[in-house]
Amino acid sequence: DVKVTQSSRYLVKRTGEKVFLECVQDMDHENMFWYRQDPGLGLRLIYFSYDVKMKEKGDIPEGYSVSREKKERFSLILESASTNQTSMYLCASSALNAEAFFGQGTRLTVV
Amino acid sequence: QQPVQSPQAVILREGEDAVINCSSSKALYSVHWYRQKHGEAPVFLMILLKGGEQKGHDKISASFNEKKQQSSLYLTASQLSYSGTYFCGTDLYNNNDMRFGAGTRLTVKP
Repeated sequence: DVKVTQSSRYLVKRTGEKVFLECVQDMDHENMFWYRQDPGLGLRLIYFSYDVKMKEKGDIPEGYSVSREKKERFSLILESASTNQTSMYLCASSALNAEAFFGQGTRLTVV
Repeated sequence: QQPVQSPQAVILREGEDAVINCSSSKALYSVHWYRQKHGEAPVFLMILLKGGEQKGHDKISASFNEKKQQSSLYLTASQLSYSGTYFCGTDLYNNNDMRFGAGTRLTVKP
């Protein structure tokens, strides 16, 4: 059974904290993605990675960075969390031109 | 670069049909369709590659018009289980740089 696992389902952080969201996939996929989901805005791409140490900006990279040191792990970092980063974060992975598998999401609240 | 989906929401009775549209301002390499139920992760329905093909999946099918940079998802004889939010994802450059639309909320009532 294919799996994309996100480290936390719910997270509450304070403004200004550095926040790490972790994602691990067990399918040996080349591509990994971080999306942010907000009501009425759909899934917006923050960053994606097509190989270890490689990353590309999506539509809303400001305030975020990513790290992919191993093929199976893709981390999203909020350098200094702000209240407007309160959202649902979804990680996904895929092979090239194939379906994407999503994790269960992390609901982040910044207070 | 997000594709535009329409309609934003649709309500059906069981057995009725629906069409969800997805359009892009740029040339597309592929289109993906996903369904997300409340509180769950999006689940893959189908992928359509450049070439104008149509695909089917039980009573759910989709078309891809490369020239018009559009895709449509067809749900026929809808069932209660079809309820959810449908997203189209578009890949412009064949590198899986996938952007999603804002979603179409489909509600099927008995």
